[in-house]
Amino acid sequence: DPKIIQKPKYLVAVTGSEKILICEQYLGHNAMYWYRQSAKKPLEFMFSYSYQKLMDNQTASSRFQPQSSKKNHLDLQITALKPDDSATYFCASSQDWGATAEQFFGPGTRLTVL
Amino acid sequence: AQSVTQPDARVTVSEGASLQLRCKYSYSATPYLFWYVQYPRQGLQMLLKYYSGDPVVQGVNGFEAEFSKSDSSFHLRKASVHWSDSAVYFCAVRNNYAQGLTFGLGTRVSVFP
Repeated sequence: DPKIIQKPKYLVAVTGSEKILICEQYLGHNAMYWYRQSAKKPLEFMFSYSYQKLMDNQTASSRFQPQSSKKNHLDLQITALKPDDSATYFCASSQDWGATAEQFFGPGTRLTVL
Repeated sequence: AQSVTQPDARVTVSEGASLQLRCKYSYSATPYLFWYVQYPRQGLQMLLKYYSGDPVVQGVNGFEAEFSKSDSSFHLRKASVHWSDSAVYFCAVRNNYAQGLTFGLGTRVSVFP
């Protein structure tokens, strides 16, 4: 059974719209993350949460807002979508917040903005 | 700021041959280093990690990596590849202060029979 679920797998949106990417982890982890993988660019760290608190935000744009309703959920709301937001978004989790903690990744949500 | 360079975008190798994937990092202190693999239509899976101690670390599925502080490198090796090793391999670095991993662009490995 998948331990980190991301929904939907594929998403197509129009410019200016808003979408929410869902992430749920069933590993009992306390820390969760979002990464983005755009074409021709490396995986880029966006946010980290620990016990539902924002720990680090490396995303310059306020259009990206993580939402944590439960400890094992970390959704990503993206508003005013732009074509440059097209990417695969990966959710990850780790047991704790430390630098040595292994991060486990979900299968990703591929977002295309037209 | 830290960075990771994987100079080879694609590597093609015959089944049974050895494999080496190169990774160079840029960071002033000793970093935490990782190799991840991404199989088609799946998320990333960690192969191995290095924090300190023996510079050669063993990972899953016969992979190993060697840390070199003098060379700022963390190359991945496998003695004999199988067709199922075809995937994209990512080198990543993390420090004490950043929560996120910094990844390289990845190396796509194709194993042919």
